[in-house]
Amino acid sequence: AQSVTQPDIHITVSEGASLELRCNYSYGATPYLFWYVQSPGQGLQLLLKYFSGDTLVQGIKGFEAEFKRSQSSFNLRKPSVHWSDAAEYFCAVDTDKLIFGTGTRLQVFP
Amino acid sequence: NAGVTQTPKFRVLKTGQSMTLLCAQDMNHEYMYWYRQDPGMGLRLIHYSVGEGTTAKGEVPDGYNVSRLKKQNFLLGLESAAPSQTSVYFCASSYPTAYSYGYTFGSGTRLTVV
Repeated sequence: AQSVTQPDIHITVSEGASLELRCNYSYGATPYLFWYVQSPGQGLQLLLKYFSGDTLVQGIKGFEAEFKRSQSSFNLRKPSVHWSDAAEYFCAVDTDKLIFGTGTRLQVFP
Repeated sequence: NAGVTQTPKFRVLKTGQSMTLLCAQDMNHEYMYWYRQDPGMGLRLIHYSVGEGTTAKGEVPDGYNVSRLKKQNFLLGLESAAPSQTSVYFCASSYPTAYSYGYTFGSGTRLTVV
């Protein structure tokens, strides 16, 4: 069965530092992959998605993610984190339904 | 505004009470989904529907029932609420080709069972 693993439960970075959030998936075919962000008490906002083609995907708010088939990974990156990026981030894989990872909570120190 | 609307936004139930959560979408989406979100567990799929009159079980269906009598509405029912069902519930909808347009999520319903 398809699954998504986010190995980092909680990450803390300083404002201005670079960020990488890890995501690994398990699925037999080429998956459709998503990253969502959720601020406290809010709903889910789509950051970016991968369906096919270029393995480096650009999203909103300066985020990007790279699909690596050989590693079954879809890691999210940002070169310089802002305090407003503090939130919870979810990776998800779409087969015929959307399956989420358990999330990574990002804390940003000034 | 087009989107997914969840009703109610907050609810407190006593153990054993029943209730229905309503999800309504005005985008003519075929597929609809109910998720629950618990700390440290991400969003887990409860039930979903691929069209009017259809429903299917997700990852955590026990204790819940659903109905899709109209294309635009997807109802989630709790027949006898338990404290373990305290959670935030999200509804979502999509076209069958979700890769083209993605998923649209509601703003959530916070349910507390005491």
